[in-house]
Parts: sequence; structure tokens; C-alpha cells
Amino acid sequence: DTGVSQDPRHKITKRGQNVTFRCDPISEHNRLYWYRQTLGQGPEFLTYFQNEAQLEKSRLLSDRFSAERPKGSFSTLEIQRTEQGDSAMYLCASSLGRAFNEKLFFGSGTQLSVL
Amino acid sequence: SQKIEQNSEALNIQEGKTATLTCNYTNYSPAYLQWYRQDPGRGPVFLLLIRENEKEKRKERLKVTFDTTLKQSLFHITASQPADSATYLCALDLGVSSNTGKLIFGQGTTLQVKP
Repeated sequence: DTGVSQDPRHKITKRGQNVTFRCDPISEHNRLYWYRQTLGQGPEFLTYFQNEAQLEKSRLLSDRFSAERPKGSFSTLEIQRTEQGDSAMYLCASSLGRAFNEKLFFGSGTQLSVL
Repeated sequence: SQKIEQNSEALNIQEGKTATLTCNYTNYSPAYLQWYRQDPGRGPVFLLLIRENEKEKRKERLKVTFDTTLKQSLFHITASQPADSATYLCALDLGVSSNTGKLIFGQGTTLQVKP
């Protein structure tokens, strides 16, 4: 399977714990996005990378959230001191990164439940 | 503020009929608009992209229109099938002010096609 891969698929944690999610984009894709989706809502933009550079962060991304994309390959999204309001599906997407009207390829997401 | 609205109520239709989904937006001047399909527990999957200078785009049983005066896109599925049952999301770029390829999503409309 050469699509976008996310790990883990599900994560249950207690409030206050730190969690880290991983995303492996399609190998030739330069652009990588993180979105968050809650039930009944569309995906909300969190941040995006062009290669290894993080170029934009949403104000939704508080200082408890940090994302990295070392070497412009896989990306990690870490949430520190989780809160119940962080419970959501975290989606990763990638695109070629050669134009600004490209379709996004999404992974299946990581479903986070904070108890 | 910028806003994208899709019918929040589920659309129920009979197999064989045409489904029409609506996406309205305000305070945007998008250069293009995309439609995605999302199945439960999965990430969105790209369906169609239409540019601001295109009135209509077709792909097999799918048709999208884009009216920049009305600030509206319509998404049609002709000869609908139960397998078309899913949530459909519209997504817009941020127009000329954006050079990221970042997409903003509507909340999605759930389509249920009954046999």
C-alpha cells in the first residue's frame, strides 16, 4: 500500500498524559498537512509542512501541540498534557507540492480519546 | 468572518435518483473548490476539483458546478446507488491571498441512498 499511513489508528489516554502520532506521506509528496476532525464536522486545518519546513500553524494549535517533519519525510504530532477537548480524529494528508490547487491524499486518521 | 456551509441534515434519496448537495461560502474568493467523499472511520477521498473560471465539471456519474457570483457549488450524483452512501465534503482554498494549497472544509453532508 503506497498511500498515506498513520499510526496508531486508535489511542486512548488519560487527561494530562502526552501522546504522539506518526504520519508517513506518499513518498514523492513534498507537502504534508495535519487536520483535526470532530464528530459531525469537517476537518479543521492545524498545520502544514513544505518539505521539512513548517510554514503555517492554525491558532487552533495551542502551545501544547507540536509537529515536526525531520528530513521532509514522515511527520509527528505531539500533544502534551492532553485535555478532554483534544478528543478527535487527527488526520494527516499529503500532496505533491508543485502547485496550489492539488488534491490532498488523506490517511485513515488517528482517533484520540482522552478520558 | 469566512464561512463554508453545507446542508447539515442528512439527504435521503431512493436508488436511481439524482442526489444534489450544496456548498455555500461567504467572505471567500476561492480560486478553486474541491469535493471529497468520506466513509465512517476513514479519511476523506478526493473526487473532483473545479476552478473559478469553470462553470461545470463532470466525472462519470458526478457533476460539479461553481457559481462565483452566488458563491455556491452544487454537487450532483446521477443514477445514485447504495454504494454512494457517505459524507461529502466541499473544500476551498483561501484565494489569491493564499499560496499554501491549504484547504478549508465544510462540515459535510451525509447522503443515504436507499435500495
